[in-house]
Amino acid sequence: GEDVEQSLFLSVREGDSSVINCTYTDSSSTYLYWYKQEPGAGLQLLTYIFSNMDMKQDQRLTVLLNKKDKHLSLRIADTQTGDSAIYFCAEREDTDKLIFGTGTRLQVFP
Amino acid sequence: DGGITQSPKYLFRKEGQNVTLSCEQNLNHDAMYWYRQDPGQGLRLIYYSQIVNDFQKGDIAEGYSVSREKKESFPLTVTSAQKNPTAFYLCASTTYPTGGADTQYFGPGTRLTVL
Repeated sequence: GEDVEQSLFLSVREGDSSVINCTYTDSSSTYLYWYKQEPGAGLQLLTYIFSNMDMKQDQRLTVLLNKKDKHLSLRIADTQTGDSAIYFCAEREDTDKLIFGTGTRLQVFP
Repeated sequence: DGGITQSPKYLFRKEGQNVTLSCEQNLNHDAMYWYRQDPGQGLRLIYYSQIVNDFQKGDIAEGYSVSREKKESFPLTVTSAQKNPTAFYLCASTTYPTGGADTQYFGPGTRLTVL
């Protein structure tokens, strides 16, 4: 079945860039998403990318998609302590269902 | 404000009891979803509903039940048959059929603990 994988942890210094990576298996994915989850809260949509795009930039966020390698990344420029959270990538199948990755816990230290 | 509400935020249950988690949305979304979140495992789909009076099992439906009598509401019952119910439960909704970049919007979650 479809699978989405992420590394579990990432630790960065405040002001540096963070890069969170995600690999997926379903080549028919139409849209891919990045969500942010703060402690004890629901998921908040950060950004998304259509499968025929290579890159999307939205303020401090840059999404890169390598469709050949089925690799998605989220770069956060000038990472702040408020960026500390769990980040999930998700792919949308042809239907309305989303397949989520395991989540990457980003810790930002001063 | 439009959004998804879940209640209660924290819920404690004794073994052998059924409990019902509430999920309400005023986004006029047709589709609603229930996920379970465990540490290091991401989100797993329990049940989903694309239209009133209809719902489908997700990947881990055993020990759970749902109803969809109203478009706005999609309650989840955790039954005594669920062997390990302690988890964080998230409800989500979206338009259906899903078009363009439409995606799911999430409620704040309910943390269920079995004592």
